[in-house]
Amino acid sequence: NAGVTQTPKFRVLKTGQSMTLLCAQDMNHEYMYWYRQDPGMGLRLIHYSVGEGTTAKGEVPDGYNVSRLKKQNFLLGLESAAPSQTSVYFCASRGGSTDTGELFFGEGSRLTVL
Amino acid sequence: GQNIDQPTEMTATEGAIVQINCTYQTSGFNGLFWYQQHAGEAPTFLSYNVLDGLEEKGRFSSFLSRSKGYSYLLLKELQMKDSASYLCAVMDSNYQLIWGAGTKLIIKP
Repeated sequence: NAGVTQTPKFRVLKTGQSMTLLCAQDMNHEYMYWYRQDPGMGLRLIHYSVGEGTTAKGEVPDGYNVSRLKKQNFLLGLESAAPSQTSVYFCASRGGSTDTGELFFGEGSRLTVL
Repeated sequence: GQNIDQPTEMTATEGAIVQINCTYQTSGFNGLFWYQQHAGEAPTFLSYNVLDGLEEKGRFSSFLSRSKGYSYLLLKELQMKDSASYLCAVMDSNYQLIWGAGTKLIIKP
């Protein structure tokens, strides 16, 4: 009963390094999302996907790239990390376009960029 | 622009009742969600309202008035474990969720 799984859960990077966060869901959901959460701010959407092979920009996409090669996986990449990208990252998924059901979240990935 | 407003922090006493308000201005409306988030954890779903009125689920109830762009989450018989942040989110006309910054609820014995 895994739901949404994120890896890694913690990572420390130096400025300029690259990394990839992996999100995997086993609920056959169409929609997947990457959010970042910073103190005093709401969840901010980075990128999202409405199905395998598709991605779209959210509210704060700069400095990030994503891929959805398989329906169950949604990858978030940082090509050249910056201290401003220090945050907690959450992946989430839900059923489909008009499915107004709940979002299911992963446990979060805490990233620190020095 | 789109906006969700909720109080930053609230304090209540164990056993009491607390109401957390949320007002919104969005491009279209396809429902309002409340999520609970304990410190260091992921948000978890509490309630969903798409029609006006009150939805009750155990100790938690959520109310919606679409004409006023207003919702509240009512927590009864507060327990220490209810100390958490409560996030209000609205699904807009594009079926995208717009999130409030969250209300940190502190429960005192």
